[in-house]
Amino acid sequence: AQSVTQLGSHVSVSEGALVLLRCNYSSSVPPYLFWYVQYPNQGLQLLLKYTSAATLVKGINGFEAEFKKSETSFHLTKPSAHMSDAAEYFCAVSSGTYKYIFGTGTRLKVLA
Amino acid sequence: KAGVTQTPRYLIKTRGQQVTLSCSPISGHRSVSWYQQTPGQGLQFLFEYFSETQRNKGNFPGRFSGRQFSNSRSEMNVSTLELGDSALYLCASSLAEGAREQYFGPGTRLTVT
Repeated sequence: AQSVTQLGSHVSVSEGALVLLRCNYSSSVPPYLFWYVQYPNQGLQLLLKYTSAATLVKGINGFEAEFKKSETSFHLTKPSAHMSDAAEYFCAVSSGTYKYIFGTGTRLKVLA
Repeated sequence: KAGVTQTPRYLIKTRGQQVTLSCSPISGHRSVSWYQQTPGQGLQFLFEYFSETQRNKGNFPGRFSGRQFSNSRSEMNVSTLELGDSALYLCASSLAEGAREQYFGPGTRLTVT
């Protein structure tokens, strides 16, 4: 069975500071991993995806994530937070049955 | 290329009624999945359709059903609405069955009173 755990339902960072959102996964087969962002009253927008190619994945808006098999992690980072990054972020895993399993989400707050 | 569209965007219904939500995938995409998003349960997979056939189903009661048409457009139906069905219903499209990358629509906000 596959699962996703996002540590920290709420994260606050100062504008210009490093953003680190944590995601750990469980999967019995090599997974595909995704990060999505959701702004209020909107759907989910794909930030980046890991599909067994490079372990360091670069996405949109300056975000990147590193796949670490030994730690079963896929943490999302951005070197410098911007006010527009305030949103909810979801990590998702897909393997085997092709269904997505989403984490519970992390709401990012950016302080001026 | 136009994105995934969902109609209506907002809906208010009364307990016991039924509702139908519509989703038009990105042009050329043949797979459509539905998700329910609530503050308490998060994002939960409802079902996936490909070539007018349901391929996967989540753990939801039979009151939740769906279908897909030959043009890949999909509808989901919820009968005998309950207060707990209040949620944001998201539709996602992908190129084909098993395609890992999904593109989400803006969702339909359903409120059951």
